[in-house]
Amino acid sequence: GAVVSQHPSWVICKSGTSVKIECRSLDFQATTMFWYRQFPKQSLMLMATSNEGSKATYEQGVEKDKFLINHASLTLSTLTVTSAHPEDSSFYICSARDRQGIFPTNEKLFFGSGTQLSVL
Amino acid sequence: GENVEQHPSTLSVQEGDSAVIKCTYSDSASNYFPWYKQELGKGPQLIIDIRSNVGEKKDQRIAVTLNKTAKHFSLHITETQPEDSAVYFCAASKGFGNEKLTFGTGTRLTIIP
Repeated sequence: GAVVSQHPSWVICKSGTSVKIECRSLDFQATTMFWYRQFPKQSLMLMATSNEGSKATYEQGVEKDKFLINHASLTLSTLTVTSAHPEDSSFYICSARDRQGIFPTNEKLFFGSGTQLSVL
Repeated sequence: GENVEQHPSTLSVQEGDSAVIKCTYSDSASNYFPWYKQELGKGPQLIIDIRSNVGEKKDQRIAVTLNKTAKHFSLHITETQPEDSAVYFCAASKGFGNEKLTFGTGTRLTIIP
């Protein structure tokens, strides 16, 4: 299947600093990428939909100024957690859709390996 | 919006036995139902999916059934092996053109050797 690379896999930062997480589609082009947040032993909660060349669409309750998303190319989306606080500590996961996939396979979403963020 | 419920939350089965995980969804417009396997500290991996025009799909030891009338779908794993131990998530979406997935709450499957 298609490969989605996410970096870093884990990061520890001090409260008040900003952290950038990268999500890359390695062998396909992705016009749409999704960012999820997962707390321990819980399900994945969609935070935002990242669209190449346009502004991201945020889910209700997600602060767009807190979680900055940039999707500057067909293979890269970044999530920046600004002024991180301990409550932002979580597992962040991105996913991407293969734009050039042949229907009905083009609806398949492929996930990155996740980023564990710990804010001290 | 879509609501996906998943049961059970935990499941333990003896190696070699079968495991069944069930999900129900609320939005009758949903037509794409993937299942994901997530190992500790990793992102979810797609293991099988089904579209609403199909009632059953099988891939080796894994099968998924869909009852569109009742709005429920199930994951069946036969001849379970220790490496099947993981958390499994079902999900639903309206498919092509609207890929927003709504996930179930997850099932922690433990295979007892």
